Amino acid sequence: ETGVTQSPTHLIKTRGQQVTLRCSSQSGHNTVSWYQQALGQGPQFIFQYYREEENGRGNFPPRFSGLQFPNYSSELNVNALELDDSALYLCASSHQTSGAYEQYFGPGTRLTVT
Amino acid sequence: SQQGEEDPQALSIQEGENATMNCSYKTSINNLQWYRQNSGRGLVHLILIRSNEREKHSGRLRVTLDTSKKSSSLLITASRAADTASYFCAIYNTDKLIFGTGTRLQVFP
Repeated sequence: ETGVTQSPTHLIKTRGQQVTLRCSSQSGHNTVSWYQQALGQGPQFIFQYYREEENGRGNFPPRFSGLQFPNYSSELNVNALELDDSALYLCASSHQTSGAYEQYFGPGTRLTVT
Repeated sequence: SQQGEEDPQALSIQEGENATMNCSYKTSINNLQWYRQNSGRGLVHLILIRSNEREKHSGRLRVTLDTSKKSSSLLITASRAADTASYFCAIYNTDKLIFGTGTRLQVFP
């Protein structure tokens, strides 16, 4: 088990609503990345936060936004939910130093949009 | 779109047999990583191989990398029922991981 935690475990929302997912990074890690994994697919990179700033973004619309806090924990916010947003959302923490390529994943939040 | 493509998409074997999964990718890489995922939960890092390495071992795992063919393989020897999971290759690219589509491995006791 990694030291990365996510909440909630499961969530059901209605189309058009907004959702906030939370992630606590592993101790000593200063970088958090978020990934979306649709059923039967590999995870897709949403964005990364380093020192409270967005540090890279994948091909996701602006209604996907995030925050990183001084303790390096992070939130993923999704506005105007669509049915296709139903997925497993994974956060991963790492340390932004030279050679720190390995990311430690949390257990994920399963979001269902109806 | 996803960079890596795993082959096969699904694999079923008996306990004790070896399982081989392949990954192909499209761009130049710094390193390639393999992850395991149980039942749609979080991913667990298995092994990282750098672009200047050709083979790496970790316990029952053996990973090879052929940068000229842009491909990698993961071999699990003497498989166990507990190895049942999905396995993903991932390319590290500018601070993010780009995952393949995964191989679903089923090991029957």
